[in-house]
Order: sequence, then C-alpha cells, then structure tokens
Amino acid sequence: DAGITQSPRHKVTETGTPVTLRCHQTENHRYMYWYRQDPGHGLRLIHYSYGVKDTDKGEVSDGYSVSRSKTEDFLLTLESATSSQTSVYFCATRGAGGTYEQYFGPGTRLTVT
Amino acid sequence: DAKTTQPTSMDCAEGRAANLPCNHSTISGNEYVYWYRQIHSQGPQYIIHGLKNNETNEMASLIITEDRKSSTLILPHATLRDTAVYYCIVRPSQGAQKLVFGQGTRLTINP
Repeated sequence: DAGITQSPRHKVTETGTPVTLRCHQTENHRYMYWYRQDPGHGLRLIHYSYGVKDTDKGEVSDGYSVSRSKTEDFLLTLESATSSQTSVYFCATRGAGGTYEQYFGPGTRLTVT
Repeated sequence: DAKTTQPTSMDCAEGRAANLPCNHSTISGNEYVYWYRQIHSQGPQYIIHGLKNNETNEMASLIITEDRKSSTLILPHATLRDTAVYYCIVRPSQGAQKLVFGQGTRLTINP
C-alpha cells in the first residue's frame, strides 16, 4: 500500500475556519494526488504534484490549495472551510517512469458544520 | 468525462467467476484501460491494467476486445471479500495520470 498515511483521519470543523490535511508516504514516489469523494460523484481530483514544489490543479480545485516541500509530504489546505467541502478526502501516490498503479491512503473524513 | 460506461450493479455467487464489463468506445491509441476497486469506506485499490493484449495477475484477468472499444474484468473465483465498487478508467500511461472515476459497478458476492 506504498506506506501512505493520512492525518487526521476524522475532523469536524466550523464554517470559515482553515483546515490542513496531511498525506505522508514512505516509498519516495514522485507523484502525489488529492481526491475527494462524495455520494453520487465518485472520486474527483482536487490537486496533484509531480515533484517537490511542483503542483497543478485537478477538476475541483476551487477553495483548495496544496503544498509539497518534501517528497514524502503533500498538504491540502482549505483556507476557509465551507459546508460544501464536507467530504471524504483520499491521498494517492504513484512512482515515476513506467509505473502504472496509484496507491491510495485510508482517507480523511471531514465534516464542516 | 469518464469516457467509460459500466453497469450500475451486478450480483455473483461465491465461488463463481465474476465478469464485469466496461465500454470505452472513444478510447485513444495511447490510452490504457485500468481497473480499480473500492471496498466499503477504504481507499481504492489498483487491480490490473492493459493496452491491447489480455492481461492476468494474481487478482484478476483483463480481456480487451480487438477493436479496444470494450473490456471485461474477470474475477475467477469470487469470494465475499470481493464485494466492492469496481471502476474502469481509461487514461494515458505517461505524464501525471490524472484518473477520472465514474460511478463504477457495485458488485455484490452472495453466499
């Protein structure tokens, strides 16, 4: 499972507060991804990273920012959480070169009240 | 733009082969077919991928039609632990590989 951990695993926060989710990997994978999963929508890509300090937007990036200052850590920040950002967030990683599969973390359940 | 069509749900008896179809009629020449599954509340799990040849690994077999417009994932001897949502995804293998998940097929294995 590529040694992926996510923290926190569960969080309840209030509308308007900043929230940061952390993804940590131990496999030295080049690519890292943040997805969100909501009922009726499947998983949707928020942001991804193709190297340290190299990030790009996915299909649902509004309201989110990311940072990757080390290979092993990819942070997702909600600058001002809204109720529409209540979701389950999954981090994934993938190695470089000819590797094909993405490995997913256990997920973070975020509730914004 | 998931570019794939899968049945919403399927049932299969334990011990039998589960055959999950996927249509991807607009697949491009450089796009691979990937299969992932998601067991309740867990992160998705990679199963298998292929370009044009049939593929087999310890989890499953992937049969791709000659025109590459459809494929079938085969779980040869389904167990109760194979109950999950199965996603068929087509993407290029190069670059960032931004996966686009559709609704998938909810496979239920019955005892």
